[in-house]
Amino acid sequence: GENVEQHPSTLSVQEGDSAVIKCTYSDSASNYFPWYKQELGKRPQLIIDIRSNVGEKKDQRIAVTLNKTAKHFSLHITETQPEDSAVYFCAAGGPRTGKLIFGQGTTLQVKP
Amino acid sequence: NAGVTQTPKFQVLKTGQSMTLQCAQDMNHNSMYWYRQDPGMGLRLIYYSASEGTTDKGEVPNGYNVSRLNKREFSLRLESAAPSQTSVYFCASSETTGGSGNTIYFGEGSWLTVV
Repeated sequence: GENVEQHPSTLSVQEGDSAVIKCTYSDSASNYFPWYKQELGKRPQLIIDIRSNVGEKKDQRIAVTLNKTAKHFSLHITETQPEDSAVYFCAAGGPRTGKLIFGQGTTLQVKP
Repeated sequence: NAGVTQTPKFQVLKTGQSMTLQCAQDMNHNSMYWYRQDPGMGLRLIYYSASEGTTDKGEVPNGYNVSRLNKREFSLRLESAAPSQTSVYFCASSETTGGSGNTIYFGEGSWLTVV
């Protein structure tokens, strides 16, 4: 079945450094790739998404890149701040299944 | 506009007991979902309803049943709870199925412990 692998499972960076989280997916028909941020004890919330007709998308300090040939996509956070500390989930979905499959999550810690 | 509301927020069950998690959305969304979240396992789809009147199994449906009561409400039932069902459960909704590029909005979560 469909599968999304996410790495690393934990990531610790100094404030101001960049953080990169990578995901690979198995279903070549996937065409929608959102990223969710979940703060401790709260619900996951969408922070950025990308569709398969776009290779890169930016929103202030966050960006997502997509390589459809290799079936992987990445989240880039620049100039990290302590409030970026959270669990980040990637997901992939497409018209064939009509549902999102999530990665296992990455716990990001930004040290002041 | 409350978004996605789920109840209860916390529940402790004994093995073998049954319970129903309730979920309602006020965004006029067609699609609704139930996920469970376990440490290191991410968010795993239990069941989903692409539209009113339809339900489909997700990745981990065993031990659960669902009912799409109407367009707003989607409930999850544990018929005979087991300790392996201890988890955080999230209800979610989207305008249409999430794989089509529509944002999924999550409820606040329900913490369930089975002892």
